[in-house]
Amino acid sequence: DGGITQSPKYLFRKEGQNVTLSCEQNLNHDAMYWYRQDPGQGLRLIYYSQIVNDFQKGDIAEGYSVSREKKESFPLTVTSAQKNPTAFYLCASSIVREGLYNEQFFGPGTRLTVL
Amino acid sequence: GENVEQHPSTLSVQEGDSAVIKCTYSDSASNYFPWYKQELGKRPQLIIDIRSNVGEKKDQRIAVTLNKTAKHFSLHITETQPEDSAVYFCAASWGEQLPRPLTGANSKLTFGKGITLSVRP
Repeated sequence: DGGITQSPKYLFRKEGQNVTLSCEQNLNHDAMYWYRQDPGQGLRLIYYSQIVNDFQKGDIAEGYSVSREKKESFPLTVTSAQKNPTAFYLCASSIVREGLYNEQFFGPGTRLTVL
Repeated sequence: GENVEQHPSTLSVQEGDSAVIKCTYSDSASNYFPWYKQELGKRPQLIIDIRSNVGEKKDQRIAVTLNKTAKHFSLHITETQPEDSAVYFCAASWGEQLPRPLTGANSKLTFGKGITLSVRP
């Protein structure tokens, strides 16, 4: 899990500003994911990407955007359209292969607080 | 889509006792069921998983059982220790094969809301 990094660890923004969270992995994993974690809500999928230059909406994509220009990087932008952006954001990655069942490895997370 | 539920939301046990955490899922096509442990302030980490062609899997003090008919699976921790105190998440995936020209499978997971396990010394 040391191969996935997220920065920064804590992030503060004013309401109405867009903010981009970084996620980088050196595990040579094809797939990457963004989750949002709120108390008592578990992990909810925002976006995921199986391959470079392609990504899919998860269960709560509204107000978020992503890009996947490089295999190693999957940045998440929290836009001003996200009504309740304060949360803990987790990035994950996994291999995509014929085995079908592929463990997801998580980054350390970024705690975003919108004031 | 898939819906995964965990009950109860909190569980407290005495050190040395066993703990059982149950999850239910809604999509009968789901075929992969991992359990993740998240200690306070840390990232979730996989502790055990089970595939739909197996009914039970053990790894030292932890085990997972799967009942496909009833669509539920459970995590069993024996001889609990204070370091077992954490939040435990179950998840389900249907391991859908990706369309060509992509190879491999979709590892999209649907997580439960988590259960906080407290082990009293």
